Amino acid sequence: ETGVTQTPRHLVMGMTNKKSLKCEQHLGHNAMYWYKQSAKKPLELMFVYSLEERVENNSVPSRFSPECPNSSHLFLHLHTLQPEDSALYLCASSQRQGAGYEQYFGPGTRLTVT
Amino acid sequence: GQQLNQSPQSMFIQEGEDVSMNCTSSSIFNTWLWYKQDPGEGPVLLIALYKAGELTSNGRLTAQFGITRKDSFLNISASIPSDVGIYFCAGQGNRNTGKLIFGQGTTLQVKP
Repeated sequence: ETGVTQTPRHLVMGMTNKKSLKCEQHLGHNAMYWYKQSAKKPLELMFVYSLEERVENNSVPSRFSPECPNSSHLFLHLHTLQPEDSALYLCASSQRQGAGYEQYFGPGTRLTVT
Repeated sequence: GQQLNQSPQSMFIQEGEDVSMNCTSSSIFNTWLWYKQDPGEGPVLLIALYKAGELTSNGRLTAQFGITRKDSFLNISASIPSDVGIYFCAGQGNRNTGKLIFGQGTTLQVKP
């Protein structure tokens, strides 16, 4: 069983659609993260949740809306996206939030906005 | 903001050769992590470093946390074809959020 799973693995959506990305961790961790990976750019942190509470919103546009109903699940709700939002969206988890706690990544969702 | 410079950007080597890549920062980090990413997959953690000067190995991989806390390097010895991929360094500077700052990645290609 893989530690962090993400669904769907691939998603194509129009700019007026609403969709959600799902992440689930099976590691018993208390912190979860959303990252964006665009071509030719370093991974960018989007959101951090610790014990289901959002502790960081890294200046992400409101068209991205995270939700963390419990410590094992994390969602990213998408609406009215732009073509430049096309990227690989990665979920990660760690035992606790904070420096010194290793982050483990899921396989990502490849998002294409048309 | 904090930035990481990772070099080289890409490497094309012969199987059996040793590989070295490094990351430097303009500011201090508390933790350094090295990841490998295969196409279409998420990054996989290779080595974690927590103390300045620390030298840690994982099989053929060795990484060090620089004394100044502003740099780290990763060595791969006796490379094999399955070492192909993109290697990322990542630093944690914020003790509270655990926010990772990533390097741009080093793309490694190994010729059999």
